[in-house]
Amino acid sequence: GAVVSQHPSWVICKSGTSVKIECRSLDFQATTMFWYRQFPKQSLMLMATSNEGSKATYEQGVEKDKFLINHASLTLSTLTVTSAHPEDSSFYICSARDPGTSGRAIETQYFGPGTRLLVL
Amino acid sequence: GQNIDQPTEMTATEGAIVQINCTYQTSGFNGLFWYQQHAGEAPTFLSYNVLDGLEEKGRFSSFLSRSKGYSYLLLKELQMKDSASYLCAVRVTGGFKTIFGAGTRLFVKA
Repeated sequence: GAVVSQHPSWVICKSGTSVKIECRSLDFQATTMFWYRQFPKQSLMLMATSNEGSKATYEQGVEKDKFLINHASLTLSTLTVTSAHPEDSSFYICSARDPGTSGRAIETQYFGPGTRLLVL
Repeated sequence: GQNIDQPTEMTATEGAIVQINCTYQTSGFNGLFWYQQHAGEAPTFLSYNVLDGLEEKGRFSSFLSRSKGYSYLLLKELQMKDSASYLCAVRVTGGFKTIFGAGTRLFVKA
């Protein structure tokens, strides 16, 4: 099946630093990628939709200047948490939309393994 | 607004059948997904329904009624490894945006 990778899987950083998380679709071209955040025992909250070659669309309440998203190619999107603070500690998950190619289920999203961020 | 409801927790016995319900009220509808998520891991895709009816895939089946805003995930021959959270998600129209429900934690007991 389709594979989406995320790097790094774990980040521990000091308050005030910036953290970059990469999301790659390994065997398909993802024109659309999504970034989610998940707090313990809660569901996934969509942060933003990332479209290749254009600006990301942020959900209400998500600060675009704090969570910078760049979708530079059809296989790579990055999320940068700028000036991270302890309340940004969370599980960040990306997913990539597979529009459907021969031999693969159509119209589904595949999730990366997630990045656990801990800000001290 | 967007609203997706599913039970918080369910408990079932190994070998049994369990049905997890999901109701939704969203600004648009372009398909409904079910995902399985084990603690500390990312969700894995189970099913996608865009038309009314039942989709069967091995031990898992998913049903959709668009007129009722209702779906269910049916798990047969439950195994201990099926203990996980099951997320109902609706793709709303516009930009392929997908909204997730809070998830149903399923506990399978021996």
